[in-house]
Amino acid sequence: GQSLEQPSEVTAVEGAIVQINCTYQTSGFYGLSWYQQHDGGAPTFLSYNALDGLEETGRFSSFLSRSDSYGYLLLQELQMKDSASYFCAGRYSSASKIIFGSGTRLSIRP
Amino acid sequence: KAGVTQTPRYLIKTRGQQVTLSCSPISGHRSVSWYQQTPGQGLQFLFEYFSETQRNKGNFPGRFSGRQFSNSRSEMNVSTLELGDSALYLCASSFDREAEAFFGQGTRLTVV
Repeated sequence: GQSLEQPSEVTAVEGAIVQINCTYQTSGFYGLSWYQQHDGGAPTFLSYNALDGLEETGRFSSFLSRSDSYGYLLLQELQMKDSASYFCAGRYSSASKIIFGSGTRLSIRP
Repeated sequence: KAGVTQTPRYLIKTRGQQVTLSCSPISGHRSVSWYQQTPGQGLQFLFEYFSETQRNKGNFPGRFSGRQFSNSRSEMNVSTLELGDSALYLCASSFDREAEAFFGQGTRLTVV
């Protein structure tokens, strides 16, 4: 099958670091993306991992371990504007099919 | 450059009716994917079109269909609407199999 699992909610403090985990099914898997969606907005792309390891983009980093069928999104120096839903998304079927996890709602406290 | 455009933004339909939603991708993008987003189910993959051909399909009933035109614009159609079809329908475009897909603002469909 092709499904991804991630926590439904995470709460963190402004200025802190938070990690959002994602596990996926491997059949036909090509790579793992992360998207951010604010309430009422469209999902926007954050990062993509096709190979094992860490990808860093400013305050956001994403990690993939193919042997563990696992990835995570790391957000550093949290700001109130980072309060949003975060989706992991697996690329399947020759990378032309994107399957989304159910999303993690990140709430940030002052 | 212009982003992904979806029309209409909001739609109210009655059970049993049919509806057609439109998506204009970013200029030059040939891949268009459709998703249904509901609070309980997240983003569910409907189908993906590339160069006027359906390349992938999700697990939705045959009431959900789509097509893509030669200019890459895409439409999806839902026939015999049910209350459970109420959702935000999102489309996303990319050149082909790039990592990044660009989403439109969605069409909010309410079935009453």
